[in-house]
Amino acid sequence: GESVGLHLPTLSVQEGDNSIINCAYSNSASDYFIWYKQESGKGPQFIIDIRSNMDKRQGQRVTVLLNKTVKHLSLQIAATQPGDSAVYFCAETNDYKLSFGAGTTVTVRA
Amino acid sequence: GAVVSQHPSRVICKSGTSVKIECRSLDFQATTMFWYRQFPKQSLMLMATSNEGSKATYEQGVEKDKFLINHASLTLSTLTVTSAHPEDSSFYICSGALAETYEQYFGPGTRLTVT
Repeated sequence: GESVGLHLPTLSVQEGDNSIINCAYSNSASDYFIWYKQESGKGPQFIIDIRSNMDKRQGQRVTVLLNKTVKHLSLQIAATQPGDSAVYFCAETNDYKLSFGAGTTVTVRA
Repeated sequence: GAVVSQHPSRVICKSGTSVKIECRSLDFQATTMFWYRQFPKQSLMLMATSNEGSKATYEQGVEKDKFLINHASLTLSTLTVTSAHPEDSSFYICSGALAETYEQYFGPGTRLTVT
């Protein structure tokens, strides 16, 4: 069936650099996308969301980009900090149910 | 706001026994609650969706007689793993949502270990 997936399973980034996490989705009917951060042993934490009628949304230090033409979603983190080390998941919604991607582990180097 | 708690945070049980996990929305009324399972280094997989006062809707492949879900009030849902086996060892996460909204508020998760 259709699902959300991620391009890279791990990302190592130098503290202070920008991070870009990518996600590919296949369900063109999805109308809402969310990025979550999950630290070890904890539940997912909402980062930012975007509706399908938008192509960009910015938050504090984070930006989500949506390209519906190629069904691609990305999360950009500016000035990455050690506290940003975690697993990041994209998720899409259908009938108010979430489908999660595989996750990208981000490690921040000091 | 929108805080969800789970209890217990960790539980160890013997094979063949049952264990109950509670999920509470502390400062909002969750019309819908979701239960997820997450194996190590894997993503969250939706197990079931429950609406207050109704029977839960289970995802394909999830045994409803093994994973009993009760959503008796707008602030409490419980997941009971019956006759647990080592392969049921996992991280169980719940979330709550308001009616017909996309945003889900996640609990901190419950680590179940079956010996």
